[in-house]
Amino acid sequence: DQQVKQNSPSLSVQEGRISILNCDYTNSMFDYFLWYKKYPAEGPTFLISISSIKDKNEDGRFTVFLNKSAKHLSLHIVPSQPGDSAVYFCAASVIFQGAQKLVFGQGTRLTINP
Amino acid sequence: DSGVTQTPKHLITATGQRVTLRCSPRSGDLSVYWYQQSLDQGLQFLIQYYNGEERAKGNILERFSAQQFPDLHSELNLSSLELGDSALYFCASSVVGSGNINEQFFGPGTRLTVL
Repeated sequence: DQQVKQNSPSLSVQEGRISILNCDYTNSMFDYFLWYKKYPAEGPTFLISISSIKDKNEDGRFTVFLNKSAKHLSLHIVPSQPGDSAVYFCAASVIFQGAQKLVFGQGTRLTINP
Repeated sequence: DSGVTQTPKHLITATGQRVTLRCSPRSGDLSVYWYQQSLDQGLQFLIQYYNGEERAKGNILERFSAQQFPDLHSELNLSSLELGDSALYFCASSVVGSGNINEQFFGPGTRLTVL
C-alpha cells in the first residue's frame, strides 16, 4: 500500500527554468509534508516542509504547495541550477505508535541541463 | 555532512549469514531511525529508538533486530540473510522522539549486498 507516490521517476529541466516535482498521497491523517534531496553516495538531506494547515511555504528558490482537497503537493525550484540535480523524495509525517513516522515516496531524479 | 555516521559503507556477504550495521547519531540527538531502501523504491521505515528504548516499529522483518546503547549509538542486526535483503540501509537521528515535527538527519547509508 503506497501511501505516498511520486509518479515521475525522472525529470529533465533546462538551467534557469522552473522545476516542478509532484507528489500524491492517500492518508488524510498526514500532518506534515517534507521534501528531501539526495545526492549519490550520500543520505537524504532535508530541504523544506509544510504543515497540513498551510497551502504554501517558501524558502529561497524552493516553494512547496499543498492542495489538501486533491491530496497533492508539489515542489517548485526557481530558477533551477545544475547543483539541483539529485533525487528528490517527498515524505509525509504521521503519528504512529505515539511517535512521528515518515512515509516516503519512491523519489524523482531531477537533471538540470546547462 | 549531517553529523550522523554509519559503518561500514559497504558490506558484501552470503545468504544465511548475519551482519551488524552501526550508526552514531548527531551529538545531542536522542532518537535514531532505521530505513531500508531497495532498488527503485522509497525509504521504508524499519524501527525507531528513543533514548535507549524502542519507540516505534515499521516494516521490520522478524529476522532483523535493533538496539540503542547508553551512548546513543545504534546497531541494526540482520540475520538469515536472503538475496532480497540487498539494499541501502539508512540511519537517521533527530532531537525529539515523539509528537512534534522535526527534521531527521540522515547518515550516508550502508550498502548491503547479499550473494
